[in-house]
Amino acid sequence: DADVTQTPRNRITKTGKRIMLECSQTKGHDRMYWYRQDPGLGLRLIYYSFDVKDINKGEISDGYSVSRQAQAKFSLSLESAIPNQTALYFCATSDSGPRSHNEQFFGPGTRLTVL
Amino acid sequence: AQTVTQSQPEMSVQEAETVTLSCTYDTSESDYYLFWYKQPPSRQMILVIRQEAYKQQNATENRFSVNFQKAAKSFSLKISDSQLGDAAMYFCAYRRASGSRLTFGEGTQLTVNP
Repeated sequence: DADVTQTPRNRITKTGKRIMLECSQTKGHDRMYWYRQDPGLGLRLIYYSFDVKDINKGEISDGYSVSRQAQAKFSLSLESAIPNQTALYFCATSDSGPRSHNEQFFGPGTRLTVL
Repeated sequence: AQTVTQSQPEMSVQEAETVTLSCTYDTSESDYYLFWYKQPPSRQMILVIRQEAYKQQNATENRFSVNFQKAAKSFSLKISDSQLGDAAMYFCAYRRASGSRLTFGEGTQLTVNP
């Protein structure tokens, strides 16, 4: 089984709809991240969380919100989707332990299309 | 703020030959990590190689090696004996040693020709 899972894998929605992307991990990591990938821009950080009670904005948080329901679950919401939020979204996790190098492990990605 | 630049949007190489992908970065930190990630058509992000800035020796993982020039803030990836399975998008990324946020470059799409 995959260590970091994302649901859904693909989603098409309409402008103005509320969308939630979910991420779960079985790695036991305390840190979780949401990125979006756009052609020619690489991956950019949306939000990150160091534990259940610690949520931080990344580079491009406008239009997004997150919820860390448990150490293993981190959800990304688009309250009112717009077409320029069409992108590939990745969840990642890392361990803050001293031997981890804080290496990030990525989920398989969610392709979101907003019409 | 840290920035990472990959100036080659696309590269191609013949199977069995060697190719080098370029990456430059800007930071005022002295201790940091640099990474190369591979993204094949499956979309999965796969860590290829990691370099710790305080280590002068260039990292190597099988056919993959880096040329880390700290003063020039350059971090290139060399792929030797290229294989068809190496075809992918490659991302260079930076992280402060004391932090956990990754800053990515724009990516380089590598094509391997048979």
